[in-house]
Amino acid sequence: SYELTQPPSVSVSPGQTARITCSGDALPKKYAYWYQQKSGQAPVLVIYEDNKRPSGIPERFSGSSSGTKATLTISGAQVEDEADYYCYSTDSSGRGVFGGGTKLTVL
Amino acid sequence: QVQLVQSGAEVKKPGASVKVSCKASGYTFTSYYMHWVRQAPGQGLEWMGRIDPSGGSTTYAQRLQGRVTMTRDTSTSTVYMELSSLRSEDTAVYYCARDHSSSFYYWGQGTLVTVSS
Repeated sequence: SYELTQPPSVSVSPGQTARITCSGDALPKKYAYWYQQKSGQAPVLVIYEDNKRPSGIPERFSGSSSGTKATLTISGAQVEDEADYYCYSTDSSGRGVFGGGTKLTVL
Repeated sequence: QVQLVQSGAEVKKPGASVKVSCKASGYTFTSYYMHWVRQAPGQGLEWMGRIDPSGGSTTYAQRLQGRVTMTRDTSTSTVYMELSSLRSEDTAVYYCARDHSSSFYYWGQGTLVTVSS
């Protein structure tokens, strides 16, 4: 079955740039989406269609995709950005798949 | 405003079935697919499947095929997710999430299903 691979953890100091990657064989043909999940809360969409930001999401969140890798970048990460981040995409049959998640630590 | 309100927590014994509901409001129910996503304690998100509320067609995750059934009631704008042959590994928070061009912008509040003997 199709898989998306993320690093388990990323750690940065406040104000630094955090980059979280997501690798998948179908990403050259399928969009990547990114979700932020804080403890005990439902996920929140932060990037859709590789690089679009929903209204209300801070400009420091951006996305890109090249080849089989999508990247979520948080420029000038803040303490409140500490959360789990999940990439999401679909396979050739339209079935969804989430990456394993990346725990972002900002301290 | 869009709202997805899910049914309450459930406790089930292994081998039983559970049916979780998700009542939608604030938009045209039949215009957007609804997905189900679950999260076991301390684990990541797992996509379970989706239903087209317009015609009722479904697509399920392969690993759940045969155990999961998604249905809808257009008269009440409600979608249902039923999971059968429950085992301890099915203990999780179950979310419904409304599709918009494959984005999940709207989520239900989550329903905790506990499978325990």
